[in-house]
Parts: sequence; C-alpha cells; structure tokens
Amino acid sequence: EAGVVQSPRYKIIEKKQPVAFWCNPISGHNTLYWYLQNLGQGPELLIRYENEEAVDDSQLPKDRFSAERLKGVDSTLKIQPAELGDSAVYLCASSLGVSGREETQYFGPGTRLLVL
Amino acid sequence: AQSVAQPEDQVNVAEGNPLTVKCTYSVSGNPYLFWYVQYPNRGLQFLLKYITGDNLVKGSYGFEAEFNKSQTSFHLKKPSALVSDSALYFCAVRDLTGTASKLTFGTGTRLQVTL
Repeated sequence: EAGVVQSPRYKIIEKKQPVAFWCNPISGHNTLYWYLQNLGQGPELLIRYENEEAVDDSQLPKDRFSAERLKGVDSTLKIQPAELGDSAVYLCASSLGVSGREETQYFGPGTRLLVL
Repeated sequence: AQSVAQPEDQVNVAEGNPLTVKCTYSVSGNPYLFWYVQYPNRGLQFLLKYITGDNLVKGSYGFEAEFNKSQTSFHLKKPSALVSDSALYFCAVRDLTGTASKLTFGTGTRLQVTL
C-alpha cells in the first residue's frame, strides 16, 4: 500500500514569494491533516479536513496561509507571501477516521521549506 | 488543555542494552497515546498506540510502551537496542473528551544507540 505522498520534498524561495505544497493521502483515508514542524520541535496542527470540509483550521494563519481539498482526496497548502519565519517542514498526514482504531495518523515525508 | 512532556532531549544507550524513552501527559479526561519515530529527512512513522485495554502495548520493531494512569506516563521501551533504532522519538496525546482529533506532540527525544 502506498503511503502519504508529498511534493516537492524541498523548496527554496525568496521572501514575499508564493509557494504551494501538495499532498496525496493514503487511498481510502477520509481525514487529512497539515502540520508545521519547526526545527527541534514536534509537529503542530495547521488544519484538518474531513473529506473536503475543513473542520479545524484554528491554527492556520489565514492572512497568508490557505488550503484546499476540492474533491476530498488530494490537498494543497499555499503560503502567499512567504516570510522568513515560515522556514520549516510541512507535514501531511491522513487517517481513516477520527475515532478509535481509525484515527491513527500516517505521515508523509514532508516538504522542507527555506525562505531566504 | 492537553500537553505532553518528554523530559530528556537525548538518551544514549549501548547496543544490546534495554532502552527507555520517557513521556508524561496531561489531559482532562481519558487519553489516547501514541509514539512516533522520525528518521533524518523522513516523516513520522507510527510505532504504537494506547486506546483502552491492556496497559502494556506492543508495537513495531520490538518496541513496547506501558500506560500508567496514576503516574500519567507512557514510557517507550525496548529490551535490546539496535544501532538502527537511533532516531528522534515523539510522544503524542489526544484528549478523549474532545471531539476534534487533535494530537498534541512532545518536543521529541533523540535516541543514540552506540556499538
């Protein structure tokens, strides 16, 4: 079974430029998560989707960050404009559901963003 | 609010010796508890979880963890460490009283296994 796929793996941009990250979850997983991981820290949730609905985006900085999951499968996370402090690893995860045995989250390899 | 503490930034152990990576948690209700491992330039890999039932949970690669409600701990253990176990380990908790499946992660513990 294929795992969570993310692209690109690495991205270097100049500040004020836009950037987008793509995620393809495990087939059949209805719940998709985007996390931010700063160096030396654990992941922090940015947004959670149940199918195509964003059900928890309370930690997403909405002035510059946006996300979509139009058909309830793939998802895109965008930053516009990027700031120096956005340099981090952006992780995508998916799970079958949100309760009990279904809620184990499986992570992709992440996109490492460097803003210069 | 829920929280996780991993009191050790790094744990050093010789190959073949038992290892323990510590985790304590704080939730208002009953917890779901998870351990993940992260290798360099890789995403997090699921190791094991506690939901209900037996306090000793067995997971991938010979790892196990013991849920201790009175001490609010969920320490990760392995009887005999391998050099290949060297990685960054994260403990995570979800409060069952919440409806959102939000995991709170610890800051991670780096495990270094030497020959």
